[in-house]
This record gives sequence, C-alpha cells and structure tokens, in this order.
Amino acid sequence: DTGVSQDPRHKITKRGQNVTFRCDPISEHNRLYWYRQTLGQGPEFLTYFQNEAQLEKSRLLSDRFSAERPKGSFSTLEIQRTEQGDSAMYLCASSQGGRETRGYTFGSGTRLTVV
Amino acid sequence: GENVEQHPSTLSVQEGDSAVIKCTYSDSASNYFPWYKQELGKGPQLIIDIRSNVGEKKDQRIAVTLNKTAKHFSLHITETQPEDSAVYFCAAWGMLTFGGGTRLMVKP
Repeated sequence: DTGVSQDPRHKITKRGQNVTFRCDPISEHNRLYWYRQTLGQGPEFLTYFQNEAQLEKSRLLSDRFSAERPKGSFSTLEIQRTEQGDSAMYLCASSQGGRETRGYTFGSGTRLTVV
Repeated sequence: GENVEQHPSTLSVQEGDSAVIKCTYSDSASNYFPWYKQELGKGPQLIIDIRSNVGEKKDQRIAVTLNKTAKHFSLHITETQPEDSAVYFCAAWGMLTFGGGTRLMVKP
C-alpha cells in the first residue's frame, strides 16, 4: 500500500450534473477525512469517518454534499446538482486514530471544474 | 471552533538563507500542531509536527517552535534550497484546521 489514492484526478462536469469521487485510504487506517481546497486557500474540513461511522458531517457545505464509507474501507463523496462554486480540489486523507494520532496522510486530490 | 492565522502569505528568500513562517491559533485546547508542504498538483505532505507538551522540535534543516501561552507556533527552515519552494500550511488539532498557507520561493 503506497498511500491514499483518489479517483479521478480531474473531473470536468456541466452545471447541474452529479459527480462522485472515490478515496482509498491506507489499509490500516481506520479514520478517513474529506477536505475541500480552493485556489490559494488551506484545506477546509468537510467530514470524517471512523471505520464506517460518519462522526462529523455538520461541516458539509450543503445538503447537495454527501459521503459514504459503507464497509469501513474506501469512501465516496457525492455532489448533486453541481454549481460553479463547487469547482475546487477535493482532498481525502486517512489516519490511524488513537491517543498519539499524528497528522493525516493526504491523497493527491480530485480537481473538479464545473462549467 | 478553531481559527488558525498564518503569515506571511508569500515569502521569497535567497538560496541558503533561512525562512520563518508563523501561525497563531485560537483554541487553547488544541494540543497538536503539524506542518504540511504542498507542491503543485499534489496533496499536502506532513513534514514536521509538535505536541503541546514540547516547546521545540528539530528535524535536520526544519524546526518548529510552540508558545502555548501566546498561542503561536512557527516553522523554521535553515539553509534553504530551491526544492524547498512550495506552499506550506500550518494546522492545529481540533479537526485539523489549516492556516491559509505560505508560498515560499527560494531563488537560486
């Protein structure tokens, strides 16, 4: 396992379409996080999972955003009825939870462009 | 919630000089402070971190200092090299809130 994988790397979609991104975390990591990063800004937290449980989702940007991690392994982030303001880099990260948790390992992200 | 401010937003140094990036945080309960380096087209990569029970940590040319009383922490890069050019982010542990980033440019 070489790290956190995200697919696709790039996605161009028309406004109003739905998109889904996939994240495969490091296999022994039980926590998985989604962040959004717009140009020139730091990553902005969206949601996170511990195993299959979604423990924080209040920061999802709107009800058009949803995430799943059905078997506690890979996760998907879906954006429905995309808007131009959704154009950003979507980053996934994973970590092994615990008292001495260290910083996350990030994937390379999915760059979304809504036209 | 946690709020992290990072300065400067851009920093240009000559190769071999030192670079310092500073961050302040708002939540006194935060106890873990990582620094990330992000190169173009890639996700952030952890380069060094510090916990609240330590005032300073060093790893080769990189060091981080933490002042819990003042709620600020800093990244120090010595003997900068062109490959240090990237965007650097500080973060504070709550739900890992990031600063706005510093674009470091090292001129050869």
